[in-house]
Amino acid sequence: AQSVAQPEDQVNVAEGNPLTVKCTYSVSGNPYLFWYVQYPNRGLQFLLKYITGDNLVKGSYGFEAEFNKSQTSFHLKKPSALVSDSALYFCAVRDLNYGQNFVFGPGTRLSVLP
Amino acid sequence: DGGITQSPKYLFRKEGQNVTLSCEQNLNHDAMYWYRQDPGQGLRLIYYSQIVNDFQKGDIAEGYSVSREKKESFPLTVTSAQKNPTAFYLCASKSSGSSYNEQFFGPGTRLTVL
Repeated sequence: AQSVAQPEDQVNVAEGNPLTVKCTYSVSGNPYLFWYVQYPNRGLQFLLKYITGDNLVKGSYGFEAEFNKSQTSFHLKKPSALVSDSALYFCAVRDLNYGQNFVFGPGTRLSVLP
Repeated sequence: DGGITQSPKYLFRKEGQNVTLSCEQNLNHDAMYWYRQDPGQGLRLIYYSQIVNDFQKGDIAEGYSVSREKKESFPLTVTSAQKNPTAFYLCASKSSGSSYNEQFFGPGTRLTVL
């Protein structure tokens, strides 16, 4: 079975500082990994994905994520946080050996303090 | 929120009533999904459809029903058998052209049982 963990319910960071939102996964085959962001009372917006190739993936709004196969992690990063980055972030995994569906983590709430 | 619309934005239901949530997409996507979001639990899959006139149960299908008569539409009915329906409901779609494609989400419907 496939699963996703986001070990931190909440991450607080000062504006201008680098941010990291953590994600670890468990799959039986090759993982396809995704990050989404959700603003209050809105749907999820796609940020970036890892399929294969370079372990550092760049996405929307200056976000990037680093795939680490040995640690089964896919942490989301941004060099300089903005107050407008404050939102709920979801990591998701898709394992084709398991079927057609995505499994989402519980979400991490990011608060960027001015 | 791309080319996916959900209506209504807010919905109130009395106990014992069935209600139907609308989801329409103009992205020409084959696959459509319904998720339920509760605080701290991430997204849980209710039903999904890979093609018109076919759909499959997800992890929490009990008390819900769907139809897929048109490619563009995937309505969800919350029946009186669903014991705790108050939640935020998200519809998503995905192109079937590649296994690596991400899902696109609608803006969501917040259902409250009175």
